[in-house]
Amino acid sequence: GESVGLHLPTLSVQEGDNSIINCAYSNSASDYFIWYKQESGKGPQFIIDIRSNMDKRQGQRVTVLLNKTVKHLSLQIAATQPGDSAVYFCAERVGGYQKVTFGTGTKLQVIP
Amino acid sequence: DAGVIQSPRHEVTEMGQEVTLRCKPISGHDYLFWYRQTMMRGLELLIYFNNNVPIDDSGMPEDRFSAKMPNASFSTLKIQPSEPRDSAVYFCASSLAVADPYNEQFFGPGTRLTVL
Repeated sequence: GESVGLHLPTLSVQEGDNSIINCAYSNSASDYFIWYKQESGKGPQFIIDIRSNMDKRQGQRVTVLLNKTVKHLSLQIAATQPGDSAVYFCAERVGGYQKVTFGTGTKLQVIP
Repeated sequence: DAGVIQSPRHEVTEMGQEVTLRCKPISGHDYLFWYRQTMMRGLELLIYFNNNVPIDDSGMPEDRFSAKMPNASFSTLKIQPSEPRDSAVYFCASSLAVADPYNEQFFGPGTRLTVL
């Protein structure tokens, strides 16, 4: 078994506030980035994606920002709700049509 | 659509035993992926198939692991012999192959494997 595990960074926010989840990537050749959400006991679920030639993309209540200069990606969730509580992963496509590499994840806790 | 189906949902076995995990992708999807998730290493891609053909198996840990996709609606991931360090949640995912750049992967509920 495992005695030491990854320490997931945790973000705690009040219900109704905005959340910002950050992700650093390392490969400057990555051409595509994706955010996934994983609720407890479930598989990851696609949220939003962005091409490397874009800086910003908006979805329903979510916005992804990409800063290629510092290799940084963020996910903004507006008016955070209890149902947003989950682990959020950023993923990058380093090469290959469908293969992506996932980051370590951030746990979002919404305080009612 | 029922989504990606995985079985069993939980598996407890003893070291040295053979373990077979099963996956049924979403009908019509061309790509199938096997991932492993642990606290130590996060979510790792093990192997993926396109039209039943393995494309990249560079993530398969060692020869004890093997994956097959005999047809478009079924895939297996086999571990023989299993070891305690194989304990993890194994996810299967599928996606469509359409034009650039990327299609979201739909994940199954996972199989939690415990090797004693």
